[in-house]
Amino acid sequence: GNSVTQMEGPVTLSEEAFLTINCTYTATGYPSLFWYVQYPGEGLQLLLKATKADDKGSNKGFEATYRKETTSFHLEKGSVQVSDSAVYFCALKGQGAQKLVFGQGTRLTINP
Amino acid sequence: DAGVTQSPTHLIKTRGQQVTLRCSPKSGHDTVSWYQQALGQGPQFIFQYYEEEERQRGNFPDRFSGHQFPNYSSELNVNALLLGDSALYLCASSIRGQVTGNTIYFGEGSWLTVV
Repeated sequence: GNSVTQMEGPVTLSEEAFLTINCTYTATGYPSLFWYVQYPGEGLQLLLKATKADDKGSNKGFEATYRKETTSFHLEKGSVQVSDSAVYFCALKGQGAQKLVFGQGTRLTINP
Repeated sequence: DAGVTQSPTHLIKTRGQQVTLRCSPKSGHDTVSWYQQALGQGPQFIFQYYEEEERQRGNFPDRFSGHQFPNYSSELNVNALLLGDSALYLCASSIRGQVTGNTIYFGEGSWLTVV
């Protein structure tokens, strides 16, 4: 079945550091890929998405590129802020499917 | 335009009891899915309702059941609660047939603690 594997956390960085959170997936066909963010005490918010190979999703300074050859969708940000502290989830939706399959999440803490 | 709303936000139940969680989807959405998120884990798909019927189900026992009403709102019922059912229960709404991710919206969740 479809699955998502994320970089183990927690990740702690200083403000303005470069961020990478790795995500790889296993799926048949052409899934859609997503990053969701969960701030403390809140539900999930869609951060960015990509629906086909080589697509780059971007939002709020975050970027991720759908790499079919390496089955990856790594999240990056050039300069993180304290307000980026949250849990980040990589997820996929199989071709034609309605449900999301999530990774285990990566807790990110940014120190001033 | 209200997003996905869930109730209650927090509740505590005793082992063996039953619980009902409620969800109102985003306006214009006709499909409701439920996810269980245990502490420190990613959300796990429980089931999905469309046209008042369960359409897809994840790997959850029959103690987990649901319902969708004609106004598209939904309930999640869990019977014979176990300590391991303690989790954040997330409701997600979408439009049937739309496969792009930004049509899936999540509520804030209902925190269930079983003691």
